[in-house]
Amino acid sequence: GQQVMQIPQYQHVQEGEDFTTYCNSSTTLSNIQWYKQRPGGHPVFLIQLVKSGEVKKQKRLTFQFGEAKKNSSLHITATQTTDVGTYFCAGLPSAGGTSYGKLTFGQGTILTVHP
Amino acid sequence: DSGVTQTPKHLITATGQRVTLRCSPRSGDLSVYWYQQSLDQGLQFLIQYYNGEERAKGNILERFSAQQFPDLHSELNLSSLELGDSALYFCASSDSGHPNTEAFFGQGTRLTVV
Repeated sequence: GQQVMQIPQYQHVQEGEDFTTYCNSSTTLSNIQWYKQRPGGHPVFLIQLVKSGEVKKQKRLTFQFGEAKKNSSLHITATQTTDVGTYFCAGLPSAGGTSYGKLTFGQGTILTVHP
Repeated sequence: DSGVTQTPKHLITATGQRVTLRCSPRSGDLSVYWYQQSLDQGLQFLIQYYNGEERAKGNILERFSAQQFPDLHSELNLSSLELGDSALYFCASSDSGHPNTEAFFGQGTRLTVV
């Protein structure tokens, strides 16, 4: 079945440093979604990328979808303490195959920001 | 507040028992998704219902079952519970039958099997 790998598993940064998490799928994706889960909270949708090579920005967050639609990244510029949490990517396989219609989450990257 | 309500928030039960987790989706959302989050497995998709019918099935054990009622609330039934079933169970809802739109997660039910 489809696998979505996310690295790194943990990232500790000083406030003001940049942060990047990477997501790689074993199969071509129809789209990819990113979620953030604060400690003790629930996943909250951040964004969805659909097009090959797509880049989207939300303030200090930049999301990219690879040309082959098998990888994605989330980059945070100048981290703040409010960025603390776990960032998940979730891939939706392209049509066909047993995984179609099933969102597969990466293991997540736990971000810690030291003030 | 996502608008998705899950009850109970916490549940402690013994091995071999059966429990029911409940989810009320956001007003107007027809899809309900169930996920299991454990430390070693991350977020695992269990099952999706759309407007009362099963739409997609993920890594859901045979001991687990779910349903969506006419008022669109959903229940996840977990039976013959094992220690390894201890996890956070999330329900999410969306207005689409396909998971290509934003999903809104509830606060989760933390299940502890002792």
